[in-house]
Amino acid sequence: EVQLVESGGGLVQPGGSLRLSCEASGFSVRTIWFDWVRQHPGKGLVWVSRINGDGSRTGYADSVKGRFTISRDNAKSTVYLQMNSLRVDDTALYYCGRITSSNHVDLWGRGTLVTVFS
Amino acid sequence: QSALTQPPSASGSPGQSVTISCTGTSSDVGIYNYVSWYQQHPGKAPKVMIYEVNKRPSGVPDRFSGSKSGNTASLTVSGLQAEDEADYYCSSYAGNNNFDVIFGGGTKLSVL
Repeated sequence: EVQLVESGGGLVQPGGSLRLSCEASGFSVRTIWFDWVRQHPGKGLVWVSRINGDGSRTGYADSVKGRFTISRDNAKSTVYLQMNSLRVDDTALYYCGRITSSNHVDLWGRGTLVTVFS
Repeated sequence: QSALTQPPSASGSPGQSVTISCTGTSSDVGIYNYVSWYQQHPGKAPKVMIYEVNKRPSGVPDRFSGSKSGNTASLTVSGLQAEDEADYYCSSYAGNNNFDVIFGGGTKLSVL
């Protein structure tokens, strides 16, 4: 089955760290770009980060630049989001998405919830 | 990286048509044809309904159509059906160096 499964979310205090994982199955990830997109409770979608097929190029939203790092292990078909110096406003459901050559997400995971509480 | 501007809500009766606007700038919607629209039902992951301004993925009903004029993109849903009630988000590519992607704030579509 073609799918993305996120994991690694949880409860963390401000200043703490979490590493999210997005495991792909049912397709080859070698040339595929991926996004992380988050959704604050009851709010809209917000782009967080993007990585290209071999991991040589990455991009970040201003709100997470310098704190979050996206990476990937193609041998494990997995994309990661290392989140450091977490803040209360990082509380959100984090989705992983597969990017097409038309720059849209055609496959979404179910998301993993990150809660930063003081 | 300001969000694209969407109306917070829209509504229509079954069978009617409704259009949702998405306003950006000359740095995103106005310059790139990488505008997409996503539908999200409560508790579910988003689903792409339109990509590259006006292209429909396989399986999306042709009641959904997209267009763009200047810095504003639009999603039109014709022949509204109850299952179309959902949140809709537009998105635009906004840059090469940082892969910037911008979403709209979302529009809650109600089918009356």
